Amino acid sequence: DTEVTQTPKHLVMGMTNKKSLKCEQHMGHRAMYWYKQKAKKPPELMFVYSYEKLSINESVPSRFSPECPNSSLLNLHLHALQPEDSALYLCASMGGRINTEAFFGQGTRLTVV
Amino acid sequence: SQQGEEDPQALSIQEGENATMNCSYKTSINNLQWYRQNSGRGLVHLILIRSNEREKHSGRLRVTLDTSKKSSSLLITASRAADTASYFCATGGGASYDKVIFGPGTSLSVIP
Repeated sequence: DTEVTQTPKHLVMGMTNKKSLKCEQHMGHRAMYWYKQKAKKPPELMFVYSYEKLSINESVPSRFSPECPNSSLLNLHLHALQPEDSALYLCASMGGRINTEAFFGQGTRLTVV
Repeated sequence: SQQGEEDPQALSIQEGENATMNCSYKTSINNLQWYRQNSGRGLVHLILIRSNEREKHSGRLRVTLDTSKKSSSLLITASRAADTASYFCATGGGASYDKVIFGPGTSLSVIP
């Protein structure tokens, strides 16, 4: 199984809502990632978890809160978002070896109204 | 954060022609990877080249890496309409080998 599964595929939320994005992989990968991608732009790194611990936070606003409950799951909790946070949110995972590729999910298309 | 630049930003070619995309980066790396993205969905890994390699082939893909110039190129030979997509280079490693940073990408259109 070389899949990274993200749910939901689409999400519309109001600025006062709280919602969560979910990501799951069963490849035994030790590193999991959240990226944000705006239209016609490259994916922008947000967070990296390594062995279920947050290892990289690219100065992301606190209205985005990542969580890694176990080695297969990664969540991104959203609260008090702004319309400019509307984007495609991509999850990825990578195995334990150096010089290995990342596997991406299909993303969650988030619209903040 | 974003790594380097890609050139060209957009490329339109006829089916059967070759497509060449270039990528430059700024920091030291362990590897450089190329990904394809169709219609703003998930990215698909194409090829990874290590920092001690100069050239790598996979099917119709050829990647070169010049660490002295901090640049890489992706060549797609005998292009097909199905190759129409956005192509991104991404660097892995450096200060943290977990950090995978993408370049701005090239939008490729292959006209049948």
